[in-house]
Amino acid sequence: AQSVTQLGSHVSVSEGALVLLRCNYSSSVPPYLFWYVQYPNQGLQLLLKYTSAATLVKGINGFEAEFKKSETSFHLTKPSAHMSDAAEYFCAVTGGYNKLIFGAGTRLAVHP
Amino acid sequence: NAGVTQTPKFRILKIGQSMTLQCTQDMNHNYMYWYRQDPGMGLKLIYYSVGAGITDKGEVPNGYNVSRSTTEDFPLRLELAAPSQTSVYFCASRTDRTDTQYFGPGTRLTVL
Repeated sequence: AQSVTQLGSHVSVSEGALVLLRCNYSSSVPPYLFWYVQYPNQGLQLLLKYTSAATLVKGINGFEAEFKKSETSFHLTKPSAHMSDAAEYFCAVTGGYNKLIFGAGTRLAVHP
Repeated sequence: NAGVTQTPKFRILKIGQSMTLQCTQDMNHNYMYWYRQDPGMGLKLIYYSVGAGITDKGEVPNGYNVSRSTTEDFPLRLELAAPSQTSVYFCASRTDRTDTQYFGPGTRLTVL
C-alpha cells in the first residue's frame, strides 16, 4: 500500500532563506509523486509532479523537488523564500485509479 | 473555463440534518473525487467516480453517499449529519490522459 510521511507539521524560515520541506513515501509500485500548495481559504493547487521522467522536477513559483529512489524521498526546495510562499504544502503519491494518498501537510511560515 | 466549482462555501448543520454538497466541473473530466480535510490529517478520499454512472468508495465513505448522473456533476450527500463530519470538503477532477487532479475551492461544514 502507498503512504506518505511529511516530516515537520510546521516549518518557519526567514524571507530569503532556503525552504526545505521533507516528504518520504512508501509504494509497492513505481510511484507518481506530487506537491500541492494550499493558500489560506483556498483549494489545492499543483506545484509540481514526478512521473518517472527527470528526477529533478521544477515547478511553479521557483520550487523544485528531487526524486531519490534509494531514500524513498521527494523533498521540496526553494532557494529563497518570499512572504507570499506562506501556505500549507502537501506531498501526495498515486494509489490506484490515480487516487491521491496525501501526507498530513506542512505549514510554512515566512517571517521578515 | 470555471474549472471545478463547489457550493456552498460554508454551511452549519444541526445533528441529524441532511444536505448535499454540490460539485461541478466544466472540463469534461471523466474522473471525479471527494476528499475531506481535517486539521493535521491531510486529505482523505471519501468517494470517487471514473465516469457517469460509476462510483466507488474511498478510505472514509461511512455517512456519505454519491451519485454521478452526468459527466459534469458529482454531488456528495450527508444523510444524518454528525459532529464527526465537521470538516472541509474538496472536490477534484482529472482527465484519463493525465494524473493531475484539479481541485475546487472547498466547502467548510460545521455540524453542531
